[in-house]
Amino acid sequence: DAKTTQPTSMDCAEGRAANLPCNHSTISGNEYVYWYRQIHSQGPQYIIHGLKNNETNEMASLIITEDRKSSTLILPHATLRDTAVYYCIVRVGNAGNMLTFGGGTRLMVKP
Amino acid sequence: DAGVIQSPRHEVTEMGQEVTLRCKPISGHDYLFWYRQTMMRGLELLIYFNNNVPIDDSGMPEDRFSAKMPNASFSTLKIQPSEPRDSAVYFCASSLLAGPYNEQFFGPGTRLTVL
Repeated sequence: DAKTTQPTSMDCAEGRAANLPCNHSTISGNEYVYWYRQIHSQGPQYIIHGLKNNETNEMASLIITEDRKSSTLILPHATLRDTAVYYCIVRVGNAGNMLTFGGGTRLMVKP
Repeated sequence: DAGVIQSPRHEVTEMGQEVTLRCKPISGHDYLFWYRQTMMRGLELLIYFNNNVPIDDSGMPEDRFSAKMPNASFSTLKIQPSEPRDSAVYFCASSLLAGPYNEQFFGPGTRLTVL
């Protein structure tokens, strides 16, 4: 699976958009980009995933660059409850469901 | 559905003792995963099962660790004998399908402290 690089930490003002970047320059054609987050003292939670096209769901939007070497997770209106560690994971779509978690980005939403 | 259920939520034991962690996956899910999380190593996959059969246990740290899934609704992770370096939060997760859309649902975790 391709390796990902994320900033260690980020701050965001409550109510503003949080844009979390992820670099995955060695991604291959059959690898998807997944985002999970982990709120303190809880298990990780799936947010969104994509292959080539931008994706949006009720939680977030995922913007993938045309060359697929990087992506951005967007939380459109961050709340204090969005304070968490956000993990960007790249893996083949049908690789036995294994997820390899890196260090993630610690997002702090401030009032 | 109640989600993935893990027990106990907290376990404190002494070095050398046997520890058994339990997990009940979401009903109907085909895959079950055991992860360990520490400050030093982050989240690591230990082992996963498909239809109760262990598929990949390459993440199991050593022979002191063993995992079983006797039926579709129950799995155990056992450490015998336990050591202080086993102290961590152990998560169980389950998912329904293989393929690209494979959202894993995580349980609340078991915080293990080995003294």
